Amino acid sequence: AQKITQTQPGMFVQEKEAVTLDCTYDTSDPSYGLFWYKQPSSGEMIFLIYQGSYDQQNATEGRYSLNFQKARKSANLVISASQLGDSAMYFCAMREGRNTPLVFGKGTRLSVIA
Amino acid sequence: DAEITQSPRHKITETGRQVTLACHQTWNHNNMFWYRQDLGHGLRLIHYSYGVQDTNKGEVSDGYSVSRSNTEDLPLTLESAASSQTSVYFCASSESAGLEETQYFGPGTRLLVL
Repeated sequence: AQKITQTQPGMFVQEKEAVTLDCTYDTSDPSYGLFWYKQPSSGEMIFLIYQGSYDQQNATEGRYSLNFQKARKSANLVISASQLGDSAMYFCAMREGRNTPLVFGKGTRLSVIA
Repeated sequence: DAEITQSPRHKITETGRQVTLACHQTWNHNNMFWYRQDLGHGLRLIHYSYGVQDTNKGEVSDGYSVSRSNTEDLPLTLESAASSQTSVYFCASSESAGLEETQYFGPGTRLLVL
């Protein structure tokens, strides 16, 4: 079974609008961490935001926030006030417990339209 | 500045040849990882290491090997390259194996097997 599911292969958003990228995960481990990475067309992987399973508050980093719904096992990335430079692939990833590597979803390609 | 580098950045080889992709990090991180990225699959883990002399198989390890003789380097070897191994390969590192520990990625190596 897929550990990380990103159901939106591609998304479009108007510049300055907010957009939500979906991520659901599957784990029975009570201790896990969720990550989002951005991959622009240049190819590098850029860490955006982290949410721990025990964190009480949703994580925020500038224009990025994570809508963490533990009971639904979802960790959606919200980008506010989209910019043209936000056009990229976005990957959701999970670490189950300590001493394990990140497992990635298949990604969502976001295109921001002027 | 500390960094993680990969070489070569681009490689064309023929089926059956042995190929080694280099990964070098100057952060003195204990943990290093190799992923491959293919359209429709996201990033999949090939091998990883949590320290010198430690190596572990990932989800798609068949046909690949790694060795860790020092902290800085984790070379990835394709024993006998196959066309199915045409991909973009990313090396990553992290300081520890904590739940919240971010993995930092190299720039990637594009490999074409003809």
